[in-house]
Amino acid sequence: SAVISQKPSRDICQRGTSLTIQCQVDSQVTMMFWYRQQPGQSLTLIATANQGSEATYESGFVIDKFPISRPNLTFSTLTVSNLSPEDSSIYLCSVEKMRELEKLFFGSGTQLSVL
Amino acid sequence: KQEVTQIPAALSVPEGENLVLNCSFTDSAIYNLQWFRQDPGKGLTSLLLIQSSQREQTSGRLNASLDKSSGRSTLYIAASQPGDSATYLCAALSGTYKYIFGTGTRLKVLA
Repeated sequence: SAVISQKPSRDICQRGTSLTIQCQVDSQVTMMFWYRQQPGQSLTLIATANQGSEATYESGFVIDKFPISRPNLTFSTLTVSNLSPEDSSIYLCSVEKMRELEKLFFGSGTQLSVL
Repeated sequence: KQEVTQIPAALSVPEGENLVLNCSFTDSAIYNLQWFRQDPGKGLTSLLLIQSSQREQTSGRLNASLDKSSGRSTLYIAASQPGDSATYLCAALSGTYKYIFGTGTRLKVLA
């Protein structure tokens, strides 16, 4: 299985600020995804992080609010901008490995609380 | 549009009991179905992945089955233990090549 390091594990932020979440994988992966899990809800795909180009966002998610970078095959960041209490969620990095296509591996998640 | 539903939403059983968790999906044209475990405030751990051509997969005390024609998958847990307490999520990989997640079943195994 892939070792996925996600940082920070949790944070408490003030309204109007931004939080950047990092995802580092120990091996090259084909796909990297960012998910949001709102309290008591299931996972919703925010975007697919594309290496060296703009991320592909799902309906309801925009680049200005959730800028994503993926400079190489093993690293990606998700920024949640202009925070509001409605952004309080768990944010999860997920990857698909080259030798285990279609199987998803997840980071430990970032629990964000916005005051 | 693919929708994935899990029943029951919550389940509490005594230790040692065998149990079945259910997952239903509306679009039978899936590539695979994956079961995950999530502990409170944590990420997801992959348990079993069933390809669309397969009927079931087994790992230890876990057995997952897939019936595409009826749009159903079940996760069978044998001889449940308190350490099995967690939320179990299923996810279907559909035609748009995106995973659609179910709402989860919150399992509590009582010692």
